[in-house]
Amino acid sequence: NAGVTQTPKFQVLKTGQSMTLQCAQDMNHEYMSWYRQDPGMGLRLIHYSVGAGITDQGEVPNGYNVSRSTTEDFPLRLLSAAPSQTSVYFCASSYSRTGGGETQYFGPGTRLLVL
Amino acid sequence: GNSVTQMEGPVTLSEEAFLTINCTYTATGYPSLFWYVQYPGEGLQLLLKATKADDKGSNKGFEATYRKETTSFHLEKGSVQVSDSAVYFCASRGGATNKLIFGTGTLLAVQP
Repeated sequence: NAGVTQTPKFQVLKTGQSMTLQCAQDMNHEYMSWYRQDPGMGLRLIHYSVGAGITDQGEVPNGYNVSRSTTEDFPLRLLSAAPSQTSVYFCASSYSRTGGGETQYFGPGTRLLVL
Repeated sequence: GNSVTQMEGPVTLSEEAFLTINCTYTATGYPSLFWYVQYPGEGLQLLLKATKADDKGSNKGFEATYRKETTSFHLEKGSVQVSDSAVYFCASRGGATNKLIFGTGTLLAVQP
């Protein structure tokens, strides 16, 4: 298994540009989520999904859209990038939507710089 | 809602020193508790976890005990190595939405 994969690894955008961060997992996990990591703030949940066709907002959803058309993929879209979205983005997944004790598996991250 | 508070870093130790990183949580009900580790330039990896009160999670010489009475999950290691240098995150998961909530992270630097 490849686990959780993310592309690209690094991206530079100009303010106002749009882009999609890709996330895929090959473990047949129901639960997928996106976090951003900023210095001194830990990881904050952006959006999450408990299964194909079901998404919900996390702690910091503004400026981001998600969709979950398949179990494997959970892309994160920035519609109009802002410098405040400069961050490292992590995708994660776990097996079931209800298993609170389950481990979440993280991708390697995407480093985004918005100028 | 649920929250996690962990001690701020950086924590700087000499090799073979004893490590404690404090973590406390607030939650409705009884969440599962986790410690994740992030090595430089990498993503997060699960270090250990505990799913109910009095459980002890352990891995690679690290331990943490789920203390309901003090709502704590402190991370300990008896003898740290240079290779343990990383950022450590405490996290909780549970409740209706099953979200994983992280603390702010603690940077550990171990010097030879």
